[in-house]
This record gives sequence, C-alpha cells and structure tokens, in this order.
Amino acid sequence: GEDVEQSLFLSVREGDSSVINCTYTDSSSTYLYWYKQEPGAGLQLLTYIFSNMDMKQDQRLTVLLNKKDKHLSLRIADTQTGDSAIYFCAESFSGGYNKLIFGAGTRLAVHP
Amino acid sequence: NAGVTQTPKFRVLKTGQSMTLLCAQDMNHEYMYWYRQDPGMGLRLIHYSVGEGTTAKGEVPDGYNVSRLKKQNFLLGLESAAPSQTSVYFCASSFYHGQKPGETQYFGPGTRLLVL
Repeated sequence: GEDVEQSLFLSVREGDSSVINCTYTDSSSTYLYWYKQEPGAGLQLLTYIFSNMDMKQDQRLTVLLNKKDKHLSLRIADTQTGDSAIYFCAESFSGGYNKLIFGAGTRLAVHP
Repeated sequence: NAGVTQTPKFRVLKTGQSMTLLCAQDMNHEYMYWYRQDPGMGLRLIHYSVGEGTTAKGEVPDGYNVSRLKKQNFLLGLESAAPSQTSVYFCASSFYHGQKPGETQYFGPGTRLLVL
C-alpha cells in the first residue's frame, strides 16, 4: 500500500544545516514534494522532484532521492529562525485525481 | 489572485449541529479537495472533485458531504457534528494531472473546527 513516514521532530542551531528525512513504500509515484506549514497557515509548496531524478537544488534547498531505498531528504543550508515550521513530504501518482499521500510532518525548531 | 480561500477561519459547534465550510479558488483549477489534519498525522483526504458537478469519496468520507455547483467553489458539509470531527480542515485545488509538469495542489489557510 501507500505509506509515507517521517520523523516527527528536529531541532537545529541557527546557521547549521537541517536534514529532514522521509521514506515511502509505493515506487509508482510520479513526483515527490516538500511542503512547509507555518503556524496557523496552510501548506505551501517548497520544492518537488520528478521520480526519475536523483537530486534537485533550489537556492538553500537540496532534495535527494534514493529510489532504491525509497528515501527522500530535504536539506536546508544555513537554517534560519524563519525556517521553523512543519515540513511535509508527499508523493503523487499518475492518473485519477492528482492523488497526494502525505507524511505526518516533521516539526523543525531552530534555536539560537 | 487570492488563490484558495476558506470560510470561516474558526468555528465552535455543539454535538449534533450542522455547518458548511466554503472553499473558493480563482485559479480556474479543475480539481478541488477537502482534507482534515489531526495531530501527528498527515493530511487525510475527505472528498474531492474533478470538475463542476462531480464529487467523489476520499480516504475518510464518513460524516461529511460535499457539493461542487460552481467550478470555483467546493462546499464541505457536516450534517450532525461529532467530537471526532474536531480538526483543522484544508481545502486545495489543482489543475488536472499532467497539465503542467510538477504541478501540484494549492492549499487554503485552513478552518479550525471544535466540536463540543
């Protein structure tokens, strides 16, 4: 079946790099996404990677995809207090209704 | 563009009461979705719509009904609210799959519902 798992909490010092990990079970996904949710707000798309890519870089964000291990990671370089939020990974599937399966979210806390 | 908007932002209901949550999008998206978010869980799909006049059940549809009379609006109804429906409800919309590479769902700000 389809399942996406993430660790629930990560704490980092300001200026360090953050790495948020995600594992998934269904290898038929087309895209994998990272969303950010700030307190009291909806989900905002951060970045995505096509399922046949290994890496994507977007400014401070680096997404790594290991298809063999079904592992996705999001690295945030030079983490700032404004990066404190919940980060969700999600996978999408072709056909149907743009189905998205979400992980439970990782709460990132950035401290001075 | 306002994107996806939701009304109301917060509501308190008593058990057995009914209410309707309104979602509106101005991006001319074909698809619309209702999710609920509970602590420690990812978003779970309640119902979705692939076009005006269509609706379909998602992962957790029981206790909810939906309608899509206009392309830009998607309504979520609770006929008889229960405490188990206390949650944060998110609406989302998207183009149809494959229309744009990497295109995904756009989310509203959420409605917090407390059922006593």
